[in-house]
Amino acid sequence: GAVVSQHPSRVICKSGTSVKIECRSLDFQATTMFWYRQFPKQSLMLMATSNEGSKATYEQGVEKDKFLINHASLTLSTLTVTSAHPEDSSFYICSAMLLAGGQGDTQYFGPGTRLTVL
Amino acid sequence: DAKTTQPPSMDCAEGRAANLPCNHSTISGNEYVYWYRQIHSQGPQYIIHGLKNNETNEMASLIITEDRKSSTLILPHATLRDTAVYYCIAKRGSQGNLIFGKGTKLSVKP
Repeated sequence: GAVVSQHPSRVICKSGTSVKIECRSLDFQATTMFWYRQFPKQSLMLMATSNEGSKATYEQGVEKDKFLINHASLTLSTLTVTSAHPEDSSFYICSAMLLAGGQGDTQYFGPGTRLTVL
Repeated sequence: DAKTTQPPSMDCAEGRAANLPCNHSTISGNEYVYWYRQIHSQGPQYIIHGLKNNETNEMASLIITEDRKSSTLILPHATLRDTAVYYCIAKRGSQGNLIFGKGTKLSVKP
């Protein structure tokens, strides 16, 4: 149980185009999902927290107009990188929160999406 | 959320127990200790978490000291596939965010 998928797993695009990444919780409903970014040889950095039916909360330094997040259902969140540039090339990872009713809620992560902007 | 400190790297022989330490001396009473691992080029994998009591699941055991200032993740019989970066994170159960530090790079050797 507690499986999170991401699509696509890898994408290459030209500079200036937009790319959409999907994150799905396959066997549980997630009110809250998270988006992270990881550059080579660095740790994961939280970009934003996404709550179903409301606007995402972005971390300091993350441009909300560049990284559009939509969490329209309890099993799907999307991240759209608008007007992508080479510096946006990174490993994007989502996670979904499984509520545990007071026993410590747990985030389960997707496999990640490798974005390369040429 | 409390800061955690982990050794940057550790080696372990295949088949032996891997004991990964974590210090969290400023942890507060409502913060859980979570362990994740990340195998190269994959998303992090949840391992285990605990509040005060020791915990065990099919993957590992978590030993938390009585004062909660440190903990140890134990992989009882390490295999080559356990080679990964292991992250220890202190977080309030239903609030706060998972803040990933640099973790411990565990290398399991044949």
